Amino acid sequence: KAGVTQTPRYLIKTRGQQVTLSCSPISGHRSVSWYQQTPGQGLQFLFEYFSETQRNKGNFPGRFSGRQFSNSRSEMNVSTLELGDSALYLCASSLTGPEAFFGQGTRLTVV
Amino acid sequence: EDQVTQSPEALRLQEGESSSLNCSYTVSGLRGLFWYRQDPGKGPEFLFTLYSAGEEKEKERLKATLTKKESFLHITAPKPEDSATYLCAVQNFNKFYFGSGTKLNVKP
Repeated sequence: KAGVTQTPRYLIKTRGQQVTLSCSPISGHRSVSWYQQTPGQGLQFLFEYFSETQRNKGNFPGRFSGRQFSNSRSEMNVSTLELGDSALYLCASSLTGPEAFFGQGTRLTVV
Repeated sequence: EDQVTQSPEALRLQEGESSSLNCSYTVSGLRGLFWYRQDPGKGPEFLFTLYSAGEEKEKERLKATLTKKESFLHITAPKPEDSATYLCAVQNFNKFYFGSGTKLNVKP
């Protein structure tokens, strides 16, 4: 059974640019959550999508947005990148319960 | 304010030396407490979910327990392959709050 797949694994972007990250959940999983992980702040919840609808949102600025498609694949977009957006972005999928399975993450570096 | 605190930040053990990791939390409406293991360069790997005080879960050398204010992850006779960062998270309704983790290093 394939796990959660995130692409790309690594990205380098310049301040002011925008970026789109992709997440393919485990087959059959309808919930997809996104997290930002940094050494200083740890894992912070960005948002969760379920059946193409945003169900929950963390405390991040509006520059961070996401969407989910009918096949449950999800994308996260960050506009007007700042140096502080450099982080590991993790996607997690779950079936119905709260147990989440994480992908390997996308390492974003903003220069 | 909902909050999760893990201690210690780092722990060095000799192989076979048992110990415990702590996760204390303040959250309104706890729906579940979760333990994850994270290896360098990888996403967290789910270990356990605990729902109510008094509950215990075991998996190989790991045992997780839950009280009303904290959870413990007990590691019995650890091996070097248990070296990783262990993360605790709590769920409040549909939001997850993660602790900063305990980095465990088990030396042979």
